[in-house]
Amino acid sequence: GQSLEQPSEVTAVEGAIVQINCTYQTSGFYGLSWYQQHDGGAPTFLSYNALDGLEETGRFSSFLSRSDSYGYLLLQELQMKDSASYFCAVIHQGGKLIFGQGTELSVKP
Amino acid sequence: DTEVTQTPKHLVMGMTNKKSLKCEQHMGHRAMYWYKQKAKKPPELMFVYSYEKLSINESVPSRFSPECPNSSLLNLHLHALQPEDSALYLCASSQESSGATTEAFFGQGTRLTVV
Repeated sequence: GQSLEQPSEVTAVEGAIVQINCTYQTSGFYGLSWYQQHDGGAPTFLSYNALDGLEETGRFSSFLSRSDSYGYLLLQELQMKDSASYFCAVIHQGGKLIFGQGTELSVKP
Repeated sequence: DTEVTQTPKHLVMGMTNKKSLKCEQHMGHRAMYWYKQKAKKPPELMFVYSYEKLSINESVPSRFSPECPNSSLLNLHLHALQPEDSALYLCASSQESSGATTEAFFGQGTRLTVV
C-alpha cells in the first residue's frame, strides 16, 4: 500500500520559517509534490521534486531524499495569507496523484 | 487560460435524484481526474481519464458514473446517493497521466449535500 505521514497541525508567527515534513511508504512513484489549500478553496500546486535535493521557488522550498523516504516543505518569511492546509502528494505510474493527510498551518501575528 | 471550471458550485439533492457535475478545461490537458474531499481530510482519488478513456477507477460505487465526452469536458453523473456521499467534489487536469506530469490543476469544486 501507500501511506504519507505529515504532522496534523503546525503553528508559527509572521516572519518566521516553518518546515512541514512528509514521510512516505510507497514504491514506484515518480516524484513528491506539495499543494496548498485554503479553507473553501481548490488545492494549488506549490512544488515538485523528481530527484533528491532542494527545489526553491520564491519563499517556498521543497526537499526530497528517496533513500530516507522523506521530504519537506520549507516556508520562509511567513505571512498571514500562508495560513492554509499543506499536502504532500506522490505521483504513481498510471497517473495516480495520492495525497498525504495534510498539515494545517496557522500563522499568528 | 490555466483554469479548471466546475459547475455547479453548490448542489443539494435527494437520495432519489439524478444529477450531474460538470468540469471543463481548455489547457489541452489529456488527463482529467475526479476527487472527493471530506472536511479536514485530503482529496481522495475516484477516477482518472487519460486521452478520454477511463484508466483508473478506485473501486468507486456505481452510483457515481463518470463520462468524458471530449478532451475538454468531464462529467460525473450521480444517482441514488447516500447522505455520506455529501462532500466537496474536485475535478483536476494535467498534461498527461504519467510520470512526465508534475502539476495538476484543480477546479474550485462542487459542494454536494445529499438529503
